Amino acid sequence: QITLKESGPTLVKPTQTLTLTCTFSGFSLSTIGVGVGWIRQPPGKALEFLTLIYYNGDQRYSPSLKNRLTITSDTSKNQVVLTMTDMDPVDTATYYCARRPSSWYTLDFWGQGTFVTVSS
Amino acid sequence: QSALTQPASVSGSPGQSITISCTGTSSDVGGYNYVSWFQQLPGKAPKLIIYDVTKRPSGVSNRFSGSKSGSTASLTISGLQTEDDGDYYCSSYTFTSTSNWVFGGGTRLTVL
Repeated sequence: QITLKESGPTLVKPTQTLTLTCTFSGFSLSTIGVGVGWIRQPPGKALEFLTLIYYNGDQRYSPSLKNRLTITSDTSKNQVVLTMTDMDPVDTATYYCARRPSSWYTLDFWGQGTFVTVSS
Repeated sequence: QSALTQPASVSGSPGQSITISCTGTSSDVGGYNYVSWFQQLPGKAPKLIIYDVTKRPSGVSNRFSGSKSGSTASLTISGLQTEDDGDYYCSSYTFTSTSNWVFGGGTRLTVL
């Protein structure tokens, strides 16, 4: 059974750095082709791809947010960590992590999401 | 503004069929067969229902089907049911210098 779960602060202040952790089970990030990524969704708005890390450490970033994002992985702990700097109220959103399976260019399993509010 | 264009809303009656379009460019939808569709029910996380334009993951109803013509992909839901009520998002992998995923703006399906 494949599961992913996001964890981290629910409230951050403007200009602060957000750190979210995705803890997963049922698959290995060491498997060729597999990746784990982050997607966010502001209230009432569309999904937005942020970043993804592959089994070999290769990283992909949204061009518009690349300067603020960092993604890392710890395969021994089955965790992927998202760091986003200089948070702003417009970054208020539900943040999801999801798996990229080994053979398909899609995101097949998603976490339940964690809502982050940016406010002073 | 989302990278892929979807209609904001569609509606249909139980038993009917509806189609949702998703328009991109030659760098994404039109260039490769890596279009996915996600269903997001109220208060829930997105769920993959179509990948590689036409394929259904195990357990997804065959009432959901996908197709593509040029740079426009489509999701068809046949035999509409009230539980289909929700938001639907298309996505495409894009082989640009950044090579990542782009999403559509989402379509709200109302089953009347």
